[in-house]
Amino acid sequence: QKEVEQNSGPLSVPEGAIASLNCTYSDRGSQSFFWYRQYSGKSPELIMSIYSNGDKEDGRFTAQLNKASQYVSLLIRDSQPSDSATYLCAVRESGAGSYQLTFGKGTKLSVIP
Amino acid sequence: SAVISQKPSRDICQRGTSLTIQCQVDSQVTMMFWYRQQPGQSLTLIATANQGSEATYESGFVIDKFPISRPNLTFSTLTVSNMSPEDSSIYLCSVDGPNTGELFFGEGSRLTVL
Repeated sequence: QKEVEQNSGPLSVPEGAIASLNCTYSDRGSQSFFWYRQYSGKSPELIMSIYSNGDKEDGRFTAQLNKASQYVSLLIRDSQPSDSATYLCAVRESGAGSYQLTFGKGTKLSVIP
Repeated sequence: SAVISQKPSRDICQRGTSLTIQCQVDSQVTMMFWYRQQPGQSLTLIATANQGSEATYESGFVIDKFPISRPNLTFSTLTVSNMSPEDSSIYLCSVDGPNTGELFFGEGSRLTVL
């Protein structure tokens, strides 16, 4: 059974701090990795994708991938109350069609003003 | 990104009834996907709908319970049949983004079965 694991949280950080969200996956052959943000009562929205080892930065968001450790993380710098949401890690498995993503259960982030 | 509209946004249903969820996309897409998000759980793919062919169902999901239509390249429906309280969930329609593996989701349909 291919799995994507996340700490369910809640993760609480003060406004302006760095929030660090972590995700591990079981399929060593996984190729593509995604972070989705889901506000309460809303649908998920894609915020970051990463395909190769290392860091990828987009504004206040940085995704980090370490395939050897089967670990992907999301850093949010200068956290804002509007960042309070559940963050879903998703992994595209090896050999799967582009639509076969495995999602984690999500980490709930709370940014305290 | 595509604009994806779902109807209804929420509904309360009685056990044993069926409900059809509609998904409309503002552009033509080859594949449309239906996901389920049960309370406190991750998103689970129910099936993939291609225009002009039968939907492809994932393990644990069957056509009799979740019949899907895909009459054209911008529209799909998912029916949840003979509902039970265990079907209470958010049902999400999605389409591929421009890059491999990226998905865009509709607003979701929140079903409560009494």
